[in-house]
Amino acid sequence: AQKVTQAQTEISVVEKEDVTLDCVYETRDTTYYLFWYKQPPSGELVFLIRRNSFDEQNEISGRYSWNFQKSTSSFNFTITASQVVDSAVYFCALRGGNTDKLIFGTGTRLQVFP
Amino acid sequence: EAGVAQSPRYKIIEKRQSVAFWCNPISGHATLYWYQQILGQGPKLLIQFQNNGVVDDSQLPKDRFSAERLKGVDSTLKIQPAKLEDSAVYLCASSLSPVTGELFFGEGSRLTVL
Repeated sequence: AQKVTQAQTEISVVEKEDVTLDCVYETRDTTYYLFWYKQPPSGELVFLIRRNSFDEQNEISGRYSWNFQKSTSSFNFTITASQVVDSAVYFCALRGGNTDKLIFGTGTRLQVFP
Repeated sequence: EAGVAQSPRYKIIEKRQSVAFWCNPISGHATLYWYQQILGQGPKLLIQFQNNGVVDDSQLPKDRFSAERLKGVDSTLKIQPAKLEDSAVYLCASSLSPVTGELFFGEGSRLTVL
């Protein structure tokens, strides 16, 4: 069975703080894909990143960075120098190599206060 | 480029009534998805279309939910009769290819069943 766990339900930080959102996944597939999506108050889910299981290189995109560790089945997301506009619900998701279905975690609500 | 369009944005009905949601995907996207997002949870896939054919409807409650994608473009999701537990946001998403897993989501249709 495939599963995504986001243990942090809600995180509150003050602007300019760094914050890490945790994601732990379970899958028996050897090939799989991991994703992060952002859901602002407007409701639509915005794609942030896709990572395949064969690429464990960490990735940085501006203030965003992702740490993929197969040994711990984790795909954590860090926002550096957070801003109020980062306030949203963030979802981690998993897709197995033999399916098109995206399995989402329950999400982490991030609130960044000025 | 226009995004995924959904309507209506909000709908309030009483239990046992029927409701229909409409989705217009991004032009050229062959794959269309309907997700159900209950408050506090991650999105759950209801049905996936590839052009006008159903790829996966394993989690669609077929006794009350139906969906169609005539002509492989627009899609309609219907609930009849609605139950209280159907209160959720119904998200439509499309992708150019199911392989990449990069889904583009609409803003969703929020359903409240009283």
